[in-house]
Amino acid sequence: GAVVSQHPSRVICKSGTSVKIECRSLDFQATTMFWYRQFPKKSLMLMATSNEGSKATYEQGVEKDKFLINHASLTLSTLTVTSAHPEDSSFYICSASSGRFNGELFFGEGSRLTVL
Amino acid sequence: DQQVKQNSPSLSVQEGRISILNCDYTNSMFDYFLWYKKYPAEGPTFLISISSIKDKNEDGRFTVFLNKSAKHLSLHIVPSQPGDSAVYFCAASVGGSQGNLIFGKGTKLSVKP
Repeated sequence: GAVVSQHPSRVICKSGTSVKIECRSLDFQATTMFWYRQFPKKSLMLMATSNEGSKATYEQGVEKDKFLINHASLTLSTLTVTSAHPEDSSFYICSASSGRFNGELFFGEGSRLTVL
Repeated sequence: DQQVKQNSPSLSVQEGRISILNCDYTNSMFDYFLWYKKYPAEGPTFLISISSIKDKNEDGRFTVFLNKSAKHLSLHIVPSQPGDSAVYFCAASVGGSQGNLIFGKGTKLSVKP
């Protein structure tokens, strides 16, 4: 079955540094990738939608200069948290779609970011 | 190997009838399970959860059943409404409600009037 891999699964960084999280579709071409942030009580906030080769579409309230998303190929999207702040500490999840009609999404394992 | 499996990609149900969405898991360490609902172009929204110490949790028309011995959970929607048409994701975590989520692939539910 389709597999989406996220790396790293856990990262700790100092305040002010930048952190890159990778999301890879291992055995299918992901025309669209989504990035989410998990909030308390398990709510997931959609941060942005990225289509291969084009700029990401950010949801309202998400700072695009802070959360840089690149979808350079059909198998890789990256999320870079720039000038990380302790408030950015969270669980970030990516998901990928092959574009098939069924609405299936394949989720990555998530990345736990802790900013000190 | 997938730890959370939703083996039915789609389900079609008549309005007013019961919808049953199934989810199987392989990791016996999972102790918290959740269902999310997702409309097109939106992020998944939390629907209902259950802790492994329970076997049933009910919230209005939605009931989640957990069978730990079978490593199986199901979401029942009664009665089904056209507005319930969406993709439903099962998720599980280790470490209770604070654990990282592992998602299934989703099941697309279509409720026909």
